[in-house]
Amino acid sequence: GAVVSQHPSWVICKSGTSVKIECRSLDFQATTMFWYRQFPKQSLMLMATSNEGSKATYEQGVEKDKFLINHASLTLSTLTVTSAHPEDSSFYICSAPKAYEQYFGPGTRLTVT
Amino acid sequence: AQKITQTQPGMFVQEKEAVTLDCTYDTSDQSYGLFWYKQPSSGEMIFLIYQGSYDEQNATEGRYSLNFQKARKSANLVISASQLGDSAMYFCAMREGTARSNYQLIWGAGTKLIIKP
Repeated sequence: GAVVSQHPSWVICKSGTSVKIECRSLDFQATTMFWYRQFPKQSLMLMATSNEGSKATYEQGVEKDKFLINHASLTLSTLTVTSAHPEDSSFYICSAPKAYEQYFGPGTRLTVT
Repeated sequence: AQKITQTQPGMFVQEKEAVTLDCTYDTSDQSYGLFWYKQPSSGEMIFLIYQGSYDEQNATEGRYSLNFQKARKSANLVISASQLGDSAMYFCAMREGTARSNYQLIWGAGTKLIIKP
């Protein structure tokens, strides 16, 4: 198998601050990583595709200036929620493909107060 | 347009019974892959089973099997001898194409399965 980690697993922040979430592929290299957002009792919603060495590809309706993605190396992608607001509170999950499968991080639960 | 449909928002099943979770898909591609993931309350996404569009045999993984009916475009998940630990959300997902660049998954809305003791 393959392992993807996420850090932190949960975070509480105040409105207006920024939060960085890290996604790491621990035992394989990932030129592509995906960032999802999931609201309670809903499915995963793809936010953006993170590409190592180039700009991320954002899905329609996702604010690229608010959700900054940096794929700095073949094993690390970061999602920064800038100027967070309560409506940004959600469960954020990353995944990285290896062969034809996708391996998911354990997720980060963000609460903005 | 690509689409995954899971028509069962929720299901209650008695422990030890078999359960079938429905999934239908829509694609114009000849080559695609179908996945099932389990998401317990902890939030982690657990890969259960995969079926490729050219696979002639239905995929099986332990108590999980995928009832793949290509002509009907359905890929139902069958869990045999359900256990209390099977209670979770279950998502069906599809990937189109075989190129390495085609990693993006299309997700169904999910089915919440509750196993009753």
